Amino acid sequence: QQPVQSPQAVILREGEDAVINCSSSKALYSVHWYRQKHGEAPVFLMILLKGGEQKGHDKISASFNEKKQQSSLYLTASQLSYSGTYFCGTELDSNYQLIWGAGTKLIIKP
Amino acid sequence: GAGVSQSPRYKVAKRGQDVALRCDPISGHVSLFWYQQALGQGPEFLTYFQNEAQLDKSGLPSDRFFAERPEGSVSTLKIQRTQQEDSAVYLCASSSPGRASYEQYFGPGTRLTVT
Repeated sequence: QQPVQSPQAVILREGEDAVINCSSSKALYSVHWYRQKHGEAPVFLMILLKGGEQKGHDKISASFNEKKQQSSLYLTASQLSYSGTYFCGTELDSNYQLIWGAGTKLIIKP
Repeated sequence: GAGVSQSPRYKVAKRGQDVALRCDPISGHVSLFWYQQALGQGPEFLTYFQNEAQLDKSGLPSDRFFAERPEGSVSTLKIQRTQQEDSAVYLCASSSPGRASYEQYFGPGTRLTVT
C-alpha cells in the first residue's frame, strides 16, 4: 500500500534538472509532496488532487496522472537549497491518512 | 507567527518506562496528526484528531500507545512500557481544514531513544 518513489537517490550539479516519481497501486484522492532536510521538519511543497486541482508554491512543478496513479515532481535549474529528502504522501478517498513513500534523497553539488 | 512546537526535542527512556510527548499546534488549526518516522524512512501515520475528537487511531502500533487532545489544541502522545522498537522520531502536524487534503505544518519532532 506504500507508494513507491523513484529514484531512491539522485546527485545533481547546481543548475541541473531532476524528476522524482511516486507511484501507487491504489486509486488516489490526492498526492502530497514534502521536502525534509536532515534533522528538520518536513516542509510542504505541493498537493495535487483528483480532478486536476493543485495547491503549492509557484516555483514547484508537479503532475498527477489519475489513470496510472502516478505523480512526478519536477525540479528545474536546481539550487543548493533544494538538497534534502523528498517524500510523497498519498491520500485515498474519504480517508484522513497520508501514506508516505520511503523518500528520494537529493544531493546538489556546486 | 508561531509554528508547530513539540517537546521535548530529545528523550532517552529506559525500556519499560512511560513517556509523554507534547505537541502545540498552530492556533486555530482543526486537524492534528501524529506520525512515527524511523531512521531513513518516511513518516508513518499514527493517529488523527479533528478538534478534540480522535477520528482515526488505526496507526497506533499497540495498546501501549495513547493520544489525547482534550481541549482541541495541545495534544499528548503517551507511550507506556517503552520498548526498543519504539525508538524513532515522533512528528506532529497540524492543518487548518478538517481533512488531509491541505497543507500540513510539521513540528520539529521528538527523537525518542529507548535503551
